[in-house]
Amino acid sequence: AQKITQTQPGMFVQEKEAVTLDCTYDTSDQSYGLFWYKQPSSGEMIFLIYQGSYDEQNATEGRYSLNFQKARKSANLVISASQLGDSAMYFCAMRTGGSQGNLIFGKGTKLSVKP
Amino acid sequence: EAQVTQNPRYLITVTGKKLTVTCSQNMNHEYMSWYRQDPGLGLRQIYYSMNVEVTDKGDVPEGYKVSRKEKRNFPLILESPSPNQTSLYFCASSSHIYGELFFGEGSRLTVL
Repeated sequence: AQKITQTQPGMFVQEKEAVTLDCTYDTSDQSYGLFWYKQPSSGEMIFLIYQGSYDEQNATEGRYSLNFQKARKSANLVISASQLGDSAMYFCAMRTGGSQGNLIFGKGTKLSVKP
Repeated sequence: EAQVTQNPRYLITVTGKKLTVTCSQNMNHEYMSWYRQDPGLGLRQIYYSMNVEVTDKGDVPEGYKVSRKEKRNFPLILESPSPNQTSLYFCASSSHIYGELFFGEGSRLTVL
C-alpha cells in the first residue's frame, strides 16, 4: 500500500533558525516522486521541492532542502533561516506509477515561526 | 503565466441544486485531477484524467462527475449536492504522472 506518514502534527521554530519536518513513505514501486507542498492560511497549495526516486543527490530549492534517505524511506524537509512567512501547513506527498499519478498526501505538519 | 484556474472560488448553495466547478490549465498538461480537502482527512483524490476523453475514479468519487472534452478543461460536476460535500476543492494538473502537480487556488464549497 502507498502511504505517507508525517508524525509531527505541529512544530514551533524561532525566527532565523533551521527546522526539519519529518516524512516517511511506503511504496513497493521502484519509480516514484516525493514532494513537499506548503499551504498557508489563505488555502492555496504551493509546491516547494521535488525528489525523484532515482536522484542520487538531495534536492535543494533556495532555503528548502530535502533530506532523502532511500533505505530508510524518509524524505525530510529542511527549512533554513526560518521566516515569519514560513508559518503554514506543510504536506509531504508521493506519486507513483502504481497510484496512477495520484498524489498521496500525509496529514501535514503545522509550522509556527516565533519572532 | 502558467496556471490552473478554478471557478468559483467560493460558493454557498443548497442541497440538490446542481453545480459545476470549472477548471482550466494553460500548460498543455495531459494529466488533470480533482481533490477535496477536509479537516482530519487530508486531501483525497476524487477523479483524474490521463488525457482527453480518459477519466477514472479516485478514492472518493461518489456524488461527483467529470468530463474531459478538451485538454485544458476538467470540470467537476455535483449533480445533487449534499451537505457532506461541503469541502475545499482543488483542481491540479501535470505533464506526466511522476512530475510536479500544479494546483489551482481552491474552491470553497458550502452545501446547506
